[in-house]
Amino acid sequence: QSVLTQPPSASGTPGQRVTISCSGSSSNIGSNTVNWYQQLPGTAPKLLIYSDNQRPSGVPNRFSGSKSGTSASLAISGLQSEDEADYYCAAWDDSLNGGVFGGGTKLTVL
Amino acid sequence: EVQLVESGGGLVQPGGSLRLSCAASGFTFSNYWMHWVRQAPGKGLVWVSRINSDGRRTSYADSVKGRFTISRDDAKNTLYLQMNSLRAEDTAVYYCARDLGYDSFDNWGQGTLVTVSS
Repeated sequence: QSVLTQPPSASGTPGQRVTISCSGSSSNIGSNTVNWYQQLPGTAPKLLIYSDNQRPSGVPNRFSGSKSGTSASLAISGLQSEDEADYYCAAWDDSLNGGVFGGGTKLTVL
Repeated sequence: EVQLVESGGGLVQPGGSLRLSCAASGFTFSNYWMHWVRQAPGKGLVWVSRINSDGRRTSYADSVKGRFTISRDDAKNTLYLQMNSLRAEDTAVYYCARDLGYDSFDNWGQGTLVTVSS
């Protein structure tokens, strides 16, 4: 059972816009910034979004993040086949004094 | 180019010990907080531990507290994770990661597999 809650799966067709939700609490998302990671099969995770809505250099602007209260979302517009991957949200948890991840969402491009 | 290379994984019996290393290059290692994150086979990411830039402050997940110790040697540009009293549930790929800020991990190693089994 992960501290942050994500849907286990999501899907879309090429060109579509999809969103992935991440629900937490006042001790994590409610008081700290949210980061998103993409993990392609057999590879290390890659930072996609940091500080709620910032993209590292090299990440396409098709990827965007938002946060409201104790929930956050990752949006992917203009879906492409290479976006098929696992996506994880993460934040620091002040009560646990540790990092927490969501359980991950497997995105399928139909 | 930033590079993080983990080593030290392998097969160990329950109750045994291992020390993981993460060799850093391409950036000023001493300026950065560093983390360990693990991923059991077929499962999600789990944060394990964090160390600040001067090595004086550390944090651990409850599941490893008292058994694992994170440390760093800035002269060798290397991060360590000493793992004692290993359990089957510690079986995972262990990644080291650099902290960009806001506890976001902007660079990851390729991971090293730790298998705890008799």
